[in-house]
Amino acid sequence: DGGITQSPKYLFRKEGQNVTLSCEQNLNHDAMYWYRQDPGQGLRLIYYSQIVNDFQKGDIAEGYSVSREKKESFPLTVTSAQKNPTAFYLCASRPRRDRVNGYTFGSGTRLTVV
Amino acid sequence: SQKIEQNSEALNIQEGKTATLTCNYTNYSPAYLQWYRQDPGRGPVFLLLIRENEKEKRKERLKVTFDTTLKQSLFHITASQPADSATYLCALDGNDYKLSFGAGTTVTVRA
Repeated sequence: DGGITQSPKYLFRKEGQNVTLSCEQNLNHDAMYWYRQDPGQGLRLIYYSQIVNDFQKGDIAEGYSVSREKKESFPLTVTSAQKNPTAFYLCASRPRRDRVNGYTFGSGTRLTVV
Repeated sequence: SQKIEQNSEALNIQEGKTATLTCNYTNYSPAYLQWYRQDPGRGPVFLLLIRENEKEKRKERLKVTFDTTLKQSLFHITASQPADSATYLCALDGNDYKLSFGAGTTVTVRA
């Protein structure tokens, strides 16, 4: 079955550490997105990529970095510069410039600072 | 600034009744509006999309309306069931192919 796989499901980060969240899709989608979800708030866009080797900052990119070397993969690194990283992180994808269908989301990674 | 507001209170309804959720927005000119369902600890699942030139869209027991003059969408779940209990998210798709989301409304259907 086609879909998006996020790993790990739970991640614990120590102060000052960088951690990388994985997002892989086998839907042949061009566009991929990273969102952050905090309790009581809507999903906020961190980074997005419409094609391989190209990505743009979203609304809350500070403290995060991404790469898009392959169509299937869009990993997110939470750097030590992100002061409040505890949140639920969601990866999504859709065919490029497809406005008929919605996003396909992964199951999320819950990141906790310890 | 741009803002998307959904019912701030959780919605508790009796099985078989209709749940009506509201999504209001300001400083947006969305070409499309989408609704998603999210269960606890899971990613959102796409339900319905409605275009700016459409007034109403239906899918099984779901109905969405879109009023660009009022800057509002209504989402209805008819003949509600306990399995409909979840958080429902409204999302706006502007001209930049990015979705902006509301905070969601949590619906609980009592048997």
